[in-house]
Amino acid sequence: AQSVTQLGSHVSVSEGALVLLRCNYSSSVPPYLFWYVQYPNQGLQLLLKYTTGATLVKGINGFEAEFKKSETSFHLTKPSAHMSDAAEYFCAVRLMIKAAGNKLTFGGGTRVLVKP
Amino acid sequence: DAGVIQSPRHEVTEMGQEVTLRCKPISGHNSLFWYRQTMMRGLELLIYFNNNVPIDDSGMPEDRFSAKMPNASFSTLKIQPSEPRDSAVYFCASTSERGGEQFFGPGTRLTVL
Repeated sequence: AQSVTQLGSHVSVSEGALVLLRCNYSSSVPPYLFWYVQYPNQGLQLLLKYTTGATLVKGINGFEAEFKKSETSFHLTKPSAHMSDAAEYFCAVRLMIKAAGNKLTFGGGTRVLVKP
Repeated sequence: DAGVIQSPRHEVTEMGQEVTLRCKPISGHNSLFWYRQTMMRGLELLIYFNNNVPIDDSGMPEDRFSAKMPNASFSTLKIQPSEPRDSAVYFCASTSERGGEQFFGPGTRLTVL
């Protein structure tokens, strides 16, 4: 069975500091990987995704993530945090096998607080 | 593109009443998902449809919950009778085969008194 682990349910960063959100997955086949962001009282919005090809992917709002197969990780980073980055972030995995269908498995989420 | 549309955005009802949540997926998407989000349990997949057919309903909490997708552009999630522990935000999402990513609606915040 696949699973997604996000280290740290809450992260606090200072404005202008590096944002690093960790995501590890377990899967027997190479998955598609996603990061979503959820602002208060809104639905989940796609930040970026990895399917195939280049392992470093860039997303919206200055975020990027790197797929590391050997570490089964897909950590999300942003060099300089902005107050508007305060939100909850979810890592998700989709197994690209027929039996898995189109389902995503989500991590537990990491809530980011940005301090002025 | 209007995105995934959900209605109502907010619903307040009393215990024992029937609640119906509605979703219109993005045109051309062939899979639709219903999720529930609470502080205690996080984001849970309730059921998903592929080409209007329910594929996996293992996340539906109990028989009080039911979902239908009569056509490619409409789905409902019904709770009958509702209970206070059903209070949550319910999200609908849709996707196509090719992209992989799911597109989420704004959610329906349900409060059962």
